[in-house]
Order: sequence, then structure tokens, then C-alpha cells
Amino acid sequence: GAGVSQSPSNKVTEKGKDVELRCDPISGHTALYWYRQSLGQGLEFLIYFQGNSAPDKSGLPSDRFSAERTGGSVSTLTIQRTQQEDSAVYLCASSHSGHDEQFFGPGTRLTVL
Amino acid sequence: DAKTTQPNSMESNEEEPVHLPCNHSTISGTDYIHWYRQLPSQGPEYVIHGLTSNVNNRMASLAIAEDRKSSTLILHRATLRDAAVYYCILRPPGGSARQLTFGSGTQLTVLP
Repeated sequence: GAGVSQSPSNKVTEKGKDVELRCDPISGHTALYWYRQSLGQGLEFLIYFQGNSAPDKSGLPSDRFSAERTGGSVSTLTIQRTQQEDSAVYLCASSHSGHDEQFFGPGTRLTVL
Repeated sequence: DAKTTQPNSMESNEEEPVHLPCNHSTISGTDYIHWYRQLPSQGPEYVIHGLTSNVNNRMASLAIAEDRKSSTLILHRATLRDAAVYYCILRPPGGSARQLTFGSGTQLTVLP
């Protein structure tokens, strides 16, 4: 079956530009997570969506970061006025509920020049 | 938050068992122990999880110490495809946080 997909796979942008990263979770999964992983580091939690509940935004590093999840399915992570320190792999994961194992997408590699 | 400690790296020979240790001395009574692994250039994938009893699945076995302050992921017969970073993670069963807090993990190298 289809897993979690993310697009684009790679994104190169200039400092100060806005970027949008997309995540398509596994169909039927109510929970969706965004993480980022800097080179050689572990995963850093960004935001968590569960059903129709208000998202847990506690991991967003600044107000330049925001995310939406439309119709309980597709999610978009937006980074405004990108900075070089935003360069990382952004990973999306979904799970059947907030308690279950998480299935990760392949990630989007963001490079800010 | 309870933290985990893992060796930075380990090596194993192909087709031999691998024991990957994890210390979590500050684990709470309700934290689940999860293991994920991340192959090169891929997102993490779930391996196994447990609470108190040892667990087995098609990928691996999880041995949990009686005091729950440590656990060991066991790959019964390492293959070259098992080369990855292995993360040991504690997850509380309740509360608003459902995210996975990853440490630096153990880089497993499998030698042919």
C-alpha cells in the first residue's frame, strides 16, 4: 500500500524566500507529525496534528514556521523568510492514532543559500 | 523528560547476532520503550516497542531489564541491509505529547 509521501524531495531556495513543504499521510491515519533533522543530528519535533483537535505547535522554532492540515489529510509546512539555519531534512510521519507506531515519509531536503 | 543513552557506534559481522544496548535510568513506570531505525537517506522506520515484558516481532527482539532501566534490541542475524542508525526512545502513554524525542542513536555497521 502507499506510504507517506512528501514533496518536493529536494528544495533549494534563497535566504529570505518563503517555502512550502507538502506531506500526504497514509489514508485513514488521524495523527500527523512534522520533524526536522539537521545534518548528523537526531530528529527535532516541530508540530503534531491529531484529528480535529488543535495542533501541538510546541516544537516550532519560531513564528516563521507554520503548518496546516486540510480536511484531516494533506499537510503543508510553511517557512517564511527562510534563513540558512533552516537548512535540514524535513520529515513527515503519520500514525493511525497518537499512540501507534509512526510511519515516516522520505523527507524533503531543504537547502537555504 | 526521561532520556536514553546509547553507544555512538557498533560493528557486527554479517549473519551474526547484534545486541544494541540502551540505558534509560530515569524511565517512569508508564513510559513505553520504542526502537526506530534510520537507513541512509531514508526516514526512520519503526522496529519494535515494549513496556515490561520482552517482545519479539519479525524484525527483532526487545529484551527489557527487570528494573526497566535498560533495554537491548536484538537483531538475530545481521544483514548488510540492517546497517542504520538505531534510536531508543521513551514514549509516555498519555498527555498531549505524541512526538518521538530522538537522541543521537547508535550507528550500526555490518561487515561482510
